[in-house]
Amino acid sequence: QITLTESGPTVVKPTQTLTLTCTFSGFSLSTSGLGVGWIRQSPGKALEWLAIIYWDGDKRYSPSLTSRLTLTTDSSKNQVVLTMTSMDPVDTATYYCAHTYYSYAAVWGQGTLVTVSS
Amino acid sequence: IVLTQSPATVSLSPGERATLSCRASQSLSSYLAWYQQKPGQAPRLLIYDASNRATGIPARFSGSGSGTDFTLTISSLEPEDFAVYYCQQRTNWLTFGGGTKVQIK
Repeated sequence: QITLTESGPTVVKPTQTLTLTCTFSGFSLSTSGLGVGWIRQSPGKALEWLAIIYWDGDKRYSPSLTSRLTLTTDSSKNQVVLTMTSMDPVDTATYYCAHTYYSYAAVWGQGTLVTVSS
Repeated sequence: IVLTQSPATVSLSPGERATLSCRASQSLSSYLAWYQQKPGQAPRLLIYDASNRATGIPARFSGSGSGTDFTLTISSLEPEDFAVYYCQQRTNWLTFGGGTKVQIK
């Protein structure tokens, strides 16, 4: 059974850096075709892909956010960490990590709501 | 690539057929997926590569199309199918459409 759990702060201040951790189980990130992605959803709005890491270590970022995003992995802990700098109130959203199969989000975490407020 | 979903909202009754559209600003070949999201829940993958049902998805959900025009069809709406549906492409980066809400009439 594949599961993913997001963890991190629920509130960050403007200009701060957000660090979210996705802890997964039930699959290996080194399996061909698989990956872990991050997706967010602002309240009442549509979904937005942020970043994805593939089985071969390739990392891709949203073109509109690439300067602010970094993905790192800890394979010993089955974790993928997303870092987003210069947080702004417009970044308030539910952040999801997902197990991906050829860039489709096949299994999702429950999501974590991050509010950006001073 | 911009994905435009239509209609934004559709009102239907249980048992009726739902036809949702997703149009892309450039050709996707068949690299399109559909997701369902219910209030307070994470989305769920329904269809990938335009017409392949994901694991555990009922046969009443079907996808079709290629190039720039895609359709998600729910053959007979069950009460649990009233939700928001999103399409997603993987041809050029990864983007979602704006969603279609299927609500009870």
